[in-house]
Amino acid sequence: EVQLVESGGGLVKPGGSLRLSCAASGFTFSSYSMNWVRQAPGKGLEWVSSISSSSSYIYYADSVKGRFTISRDNAKNSLYLQMNSLRAEDTAVYYCARCRRGSGWLIDYWGQGTLVTVSS
Amino acid sequence: QLVLTQSPSASASLGASVKLTCTLSSGHSSYAIAWHQQQPEKGPRYLMKLNSDGSHSKGDGIPDRFSGSSSGAERYLTISSLQSEDEADYYCQTWGTGSVVFGGGTKLTVL
Repeated sequence: EVQLVESGGGLVKPGGSLRLSCAASGFTFSSYSMNWVRQAPGKGLEWVSSISSSSSYIYYADSVKGRFTISRDNAKNSLYLQMNSLRAEDTAVYYCARCRRGSGWLIDYWGQGTLVTVSS
Repeated sequence: QLVLTQSPSASASLGASVKLTCTLSSGHSSYAIAWHQQQPEKGPRYLMKLNSDGSHSKGDGIPDRFSGSSSGAERYLTISSLQSEDEADYYCQTWGTGSVVFGGGTKLTVL
């Protein structure tokens, strides 16, 4: 069974940093591209960042470019999101999501999410 | 620019059918999309991949009541025999060069 479990969320002050983790199991993590997607309270889904299986391709939404860094450790079956210079508008539930193999960046599995709150 | 457009809301009666629409922006009518469901207070769940020719492949455990179809730049999700647990937000998703795109979502109310 595919499982994606996020952790690392919490309350942080504006300008602060936070590192999210996603532990993957139930599939060969090193063979799949991965994503971070967020959802602000009461809003829709917003793509944050994507990384290919070998980290050769990395993409960011304009809203986080230069502040967030996506990475992965295939030996540890883990995906990460380093978030710096956090702003109030970064407050959201952050989801780890797997891409369907052979289907570009189409998402086929989601984690349960971790809440990040940026507030003074 | 690659954009997905969805109606903000839809409603249908218990036991009836409903067809949700996701429209691809001009010049992107050949793109495949995915449909995702998000029930209240839960994370999203992948429903299916839907190709431009209407062929689709559903995720694990997705009931036969969910089906997809396509026409030009429109991608449809049809839910038949509506049940109360189908009341949820439905999002379409695709990807372009260096980006992933979501539609704004459709909130489905089961009456």
